Amino acid sequence: QAQLVQSEAEVKRPGASVKVSCKASGYTFTSYYLHWVRQAPGQGLEWMGMIHPSGGTTNYAQKFQGRVTLTRDTSTSTVYMELSSLRSEDTAVFYCARWLRIKNAFDIWGQGTMVTVSS
Amino acid sequence: DIQMTQSPSTLSASVGDRVTITCRASQSISSWLAWYQQKPGKAPKLLIYKVSNLESGVPSRFSGSGSGTEFTLTISSLQPDDFATYYCQQYSSPWTFGQGTKVEIK
Repeated sequence: QAQLVQSEAEVKRPGASVKVSCKASGYTFTSYYLHWVRQAPGQGLEWMGMIHPSGGTTNYAQKFQGRVTLTRDTSTSTVYMELSSLRSEDTAVFYCARWLRIKNAFDIWGQGTMVTVSS
Repeated sequence: DIQMTQSPSTLSASVGDRVTITCRASQSISSWLAWYQQKPGKAPKLLIYKVSNLESGVPSRFSGSGSGTEFTLTISSLQPDDFATYYCQQYSSPWTFGQGTKVEIK
């Protein structure tokens, strides 16, 4: 069945960058947008941006413009989310999620990747 | 950006109770609304899409309604597995979520 598997947890210093991967399987990778959502500890869900794996088209939330970069590797059916200039407030779980246009909803989610930013 | 406001933020209820969660949008979003359930340490799970369509495998005690700016998620008879946090989400760029409603045991 369709699934998204994310990379393992990371610990980073303030000012560093982190790159989280999301590997898709069980469906045609290039047919669906993949989005990234951030969830700080004890907080709600925050949309970061999206990428279409076919052409690599991206759209970022204004809040993350200039700090986040989404890329994809069609040979491995993997999308990447890189967040730079990390600060302690970026400590969060990052999720990738597939957007299913016919339902206008995120129907499949990755398991989440915890990123801890600490000196 | 369209803001989504859920109420209440926390809800205490007992097994068997009928539970209603409200989500209000800062402007009309037509029928572009979904609901998710999230349990601690887990990814969100899609429950309802396009306001009232039940995702495959989701129990029929869950239902959604509304239009325009006001939407509701109803659990007709709360079960032990339903204690979780629920989020509404609108489909527009940028995508936004409500702040969440935690359903806890009374």
